Amino acid sequence: DAKTTQPPSMDCAEGRAANLPCNHSTISGNEYVYWYRQIHSQGPQYIIHGLKNNETNEMASLIITEDRKSSTLILPHATLRDTAVYYCIVRVLTGNQFYFGTGTSLTVIP
Amino acid sequence: GAGVSQSPSNKVTEKGKDVELRCDPISGHTALYWYRQSLGQGLEFLIYFQGNSAPDKSGLPSDRFSAERTGGSVSTLTIQRTQQEDSAVYLCASSSRTGGNYGYTFGSGTRLTVV
Repeated sequence: DAKTTQPPSMDCAEGRAANLPCNHSTISGNEYVYWYRQIHSQGPQYIIHGLKNNETNEMASLIITEDRKSSTLILPHATLRDTAVYYCIVRVLTGNQFYFGTGTSLTVIP
Repeated sequence: GAGVSQSPSNKVTEKGKDVELRCDPISGHTALYWYRQSLGQGLEFLIYFQGNSAPDKSGLPSDRFSAERTGGSVSTLTIQRTQQEDSAVYLCASSSRTGGNYGYTFGSGTRLTVV
């Protein structure tokens, strides 16, 4: 599975959009981009995933560049409860496991 | 049940003792995974079960660690002769065969403290 690179930490003002970047320059054609988050003391929670088209659900939007070498997770109106570590992972849909890096620690500031 | 259940939620044990951690996956999920997370660290893969196939044990850190999955459902992770460096949160996750659209569903973990 391809490796990903994320900034270790970010801050975001409450109510503003949080844009979390991820680089995955070695991604292969059949690998999806997944995003999970982990709120303190809880197990990781699925957010969204995509292959090459932009995706949106009730939690977030995922923007994948045309060359698929990077992506951005967008939380449109960040709340204090969005404070968490966000993990960007790439893997094939039927892969055995997810390789979690150290993620981005997002702090939403009142 | 509706989610992945892990027990106990917290476990304090003395160095050198054996511990067993339990995971009840989502009903019908054929894949089950164990990860651990040390304080301030990312998730470290331990072991993966898929149906009746031989488990992928490539992440187990030493032969003191073992896991089994009985009847394709409940799994037990056993740590023998615990050491202080085993202190971590042990997370279990399950998924359908292909991971579906949602990848894994994680439990809330067992926090293991070795004193």
